[in-house]
Amino acid sequence: EDKVVQSPLSLVVHEGDTVTLNCSYEVTNFRSLLWYKQEKKAPTFLFMLTSSGIEKKSGRLSSILDKKELSSILNITATQTGDSAIYLCAVGLSGGGADGLTFGKGTHLIIQP
Amino acid sequence: SQTIHQWPATLVQPVGSPLSLECTVEGTSNPNLYWYRQAAGRGLQLLFYSVGIGQISSEVPQNLSASRPQDRQFILSSKKLLLSDSGFYLCAWSRMENQPQHFGDGTRLSIL
Repeated sequence: EDKVVQSPLSLVVHEGDTVTLNCSYEVTNFRSLLWYKQEKKAPTFLFMLTSSGIEKKSGRLSSILDKKELSSILNITATQTGDSAIYLCAVGLSGGGADGLTFGKGTHLIIQP
Repeated sequence: SQTIHQWPATLVQPVGSPLSLECTVEGTSNPNLYWYRQAAGRGLQLLFYSVGIGQISSEVPQNLSASRPQDRQFILSSKKLLLSDSGFYLCAWSRMENQPQHFGDGTRLSIL
């Protein structure tokens, strides 16, 4: 069974800190790994990592894919209260006719002022 | 730009009642469409996906069904709701396979 595991499940830090969120996966036919930010309703897309793009950066957020270790990290530097959210990791698979994503349970990040 | 709409935002239904949730996408044509459910303490679970009108694939056997009567419309239905159908239902779209999926605001369904 395909599995995506995120850690920690929850994290509380102070504004200005740097955080690292982890995602590991055990899947067949890996194709891509995606990170989403979910505040109250819709998860919003952050990054997609594939074999041809293992590192992405946008402002204070960055992510790296380690295909050897079957894992990814999401880094957030100089955190702000607006970064408080649930961060979701998902894996896309190739073949088999299914195009849906397999999600982890998420990391609930709380930034205290 | 593309937008995705889901309604209603919240719904409270008695056990055994029918269900119809609707999702529409604007600003693109022939998108891939998806229904996910997010239950408490669990990750998002893919329920159905569609690559075109009338084409539905189910990932999880269950009490629900999906239909795609128009290119940018995706409907989630049930004839008789169960308590276990409670959860947060999210619709998503993507341009094609292996492209990021973009989510609607979801419907929070409570079954009494």
